[in-house]
Amino acid sequence: GAGVSQSPSNKVTEKGKDVELRCDPISGHTALYWYRQSLGQGLEFLIYFQGNSAPDKSGLPSDRFSAERTGGSVSTLTIQRTQQEDSAVYLCASSLPQGRGNQPQHFGDGTRLSIL
Amino acid sequence: QKEVEQDPGPLSVPEGAIVSLNCTYSNSAFQYFMWYRQYSRKGPELLMYTYSSGNKEDGRFTAQVDKSSKYISLFIRDSQPSDSATYLCAMRVVGNTPLVFGKGTRLSVIA
Repeated sequence: GAGVSQSPSNKVTEKGKDVELRCDPISGHTALYWYRQSLGQGLEFLIYFQGNSAPDKSGLPSDRFSAERTGGSVSTLTIQRTQQEDSAVYLCASSLPQGRGNQPQHFGDGTRLSIL
Repeated sequence: QKEVEQDPGPLSVPEGAIVSLNCTYSNSAFQYFMWYRQYSRKGPELLMYTYSSGNKEDGRFTAQVDKSSKYISLFIRDSQPSDSATYLCAMRVVGNTPLVFGKGTRLSVIA
């Protein structure tokens, strides 16, 4: 399909383990965002990549969270030493560069992460 | 106070009703205002987008922005059971910035 693809769709892991979540954005979209959606909390911004610029990491909740984007396309969000409060749906979105207008962000269906 | 406030509902209406969904915000720098619809276990999909103040209509949906009151609304006319979903307001300032979301309102349209 032509949409944002995320994998895995579901992930269950034990507390203390590391997890990697993958996002494959829409082809040609240079902007990529990670959000977290917790029950009753809405979507919370985590990190933003735009082209070759340094990412905006201002939303990452702790140093256990990191993300990279290789070759300006696929992105991986890594959570180290997972805690139960990390349980949430992790959503990825991509868009064309914002520039002077508003480019809509297109979301994937997310990875549902459960920490036991 | 959160930057964006949205009543989580749930809101239940009969088929054919007019639905009004609202958000308030505190950051006067917000310029772009969006409404997303999210079905269960799916990602949000963009419904409407408005730049600055004013109204925008698309079929059964109307988005309104009142920047003086820091208040935005989404109206759904002739609501259908297929409109049952969570509706998220989102907004951002000018430039390369992420969206700031409300918590979402869960809507059920009963046939």
